[in-house]
Amino acid sequence: EVQLVQSGAEVKKPGESLKISCKGSGYSFTSYWIGWVRQMPGKGLEWMGIIYPGDSDTRYSPSFQGQVTISADKSISTAYLQWSSLKASDTAMYYCARHAGTGYYYYMDVWGKGTTVTVSS
Amino acid sequence: SYVLTQPPSVSVAPGKTARITCGGNNIGSKSVHWYQQKPGQAPVLVIYYDSDRPSGIPERFSGSNSGNTATLTISRVEAGDEADYYCQVWDSSSDHGVFGGGTKLTVL
Repeated sequence: EVQLVQSGAEVKKPGESLKISCKGSGYSFTSYWIGWVRQMPGKGLEWMGIIYPGDSDTRYSPSFQGQVTISADKSISTAYLQWSSLKASDTAMYYCARHAGTGYYYYMDVWGKGTTVTVSS
Repeated sequence: SYVLTQPPSVSVAPGKTARITCGGNNIGSKSVHWYQQKPGQAPVLVIYYDSDRPSGIPERFSGSNSGNTATLTISRVEAGDEADYYCQVWDSSSDHGVFGGGTKLTVL
């Protein structure tokens, strides 16, 4: 069974750093792009960026470029989303999602259950 | 950046047909994908490549895309279809994904 298992909920203070994870199983992890989607409380889905674990090529939405870092460790089939200095506005649910399809036609066919990040002083 | 516009809400009676639109400049030239999200759950892909259904998605769900509007159609709507629905495309000019704002489907 194809699965993405995300790390647990986090509660952090403004200014702290954070790295959350997404472990893939049941498929060839290095053959699919994997990305991150933000959902702020009561709001819609926002596409953040993706990484190709095979060669670590990354793409970011202009809205998130420079705000977060996406990385992957193919040896343990895990992708990461990282912040160097959290803000209260980073409070949200974060989903990882496998991207299927080919260039300019990518869609998200498998999703993790989400990681809740709460940033509060 | 490419913008997708969805109506905030659509209401439909059980057994009727719901149509949820997704507007974008010449969206007919892109591939549109649709996701269903129920409260407290992760999104689920219901339509990809405009009109293809993943395995396990009922035939009641269909999609179309032409001109400046893509449409998700849900036939014979059931109470269990009540959810938020999001369209998504790939913005080829800046090489990133884009979601519509989402539509809340209410089954009366």
